[in-house]
Amino acid sequence: DTGVSQDPRHKITKRGQNVTFRCDPISEHNRLYWYRQTLGQGPEFLTYFQNEAQLEKSRLLSDRFSAERPKGSFSTLEIQRTEQGDSAMYLCASSGGGNYGYTFGSGTRLTVV
Amino acid sequence: RKEVEQDPGPFNVPEGATVAFNCTYSNSASQSFFWYRQDCRKEPKLLMSVYSSGNEDGRFTAQLNRASQYISLLIRDSKLSDSATYLCVVNLHTGGFKTIFGAGTRLFVKA
Repeated sequence: DTGVSQDPRHKITKRGQNVTFRCDPISEHNRLYWYRQTLGQGPEFLTYFQNEAQLEKSRLLSDRFSAERPKGSFSTLEIQRTEQGDSAMYLCASSGGGNYGYTFGSGTRLTVV
Repeated sequence: RKEVEQDPGPFNVPEGATVAFNCTYSNSASQSFFWYRQDCRKEPKLLMSVYSSGNEDGRFTAQLNRASQYISLLIRDSKLSDSATYLCVVNLHTGGFKTIFGAGTRLFVKA
């Protein structure tokens, strides 16, 4: 499969726990993005990497959220001390730059109970 | 005011109908534009880029009016399989990077 892979597909966690999601982008894509989507809304930008450098972070990304892309390949998104408001679909996307749009992964659906 | 606003929908149309979606954006620094399609509980998928000259891909036509900061998507001869949410997307290049998605317009095509 040469698309964007995300793991896990679903995560149910208790409030206060930490969770970590992984994204494997398309191998030749140097740009990687994390978005969050809730029901009835479009995806909201969280953060963006070009290779291993995190170039942009949204104000939505509070200090409980951290993202890494250590070798410029896969990325992880960690949420510490989860809250019920963190329940959402977390989408990863990659692109090769230019004006070609993104390829999204299938997302990780987080439910905080 | 939201940075990208779309028709609220839902649009309910019969098969074979022509349907048009509108989208407005507020930031004149917007540089590139796209339409994405999202099926229920699936990820968004790129449908088409939008160019100032207008572009067509089969039954789909996209238009951009920079002066009015307005984007449209026209679907001709609607199929049942066109039922989905259509997301308008705007890229800003303002020194930093920002891609803004609209909330989407839901389309139901009925037999």
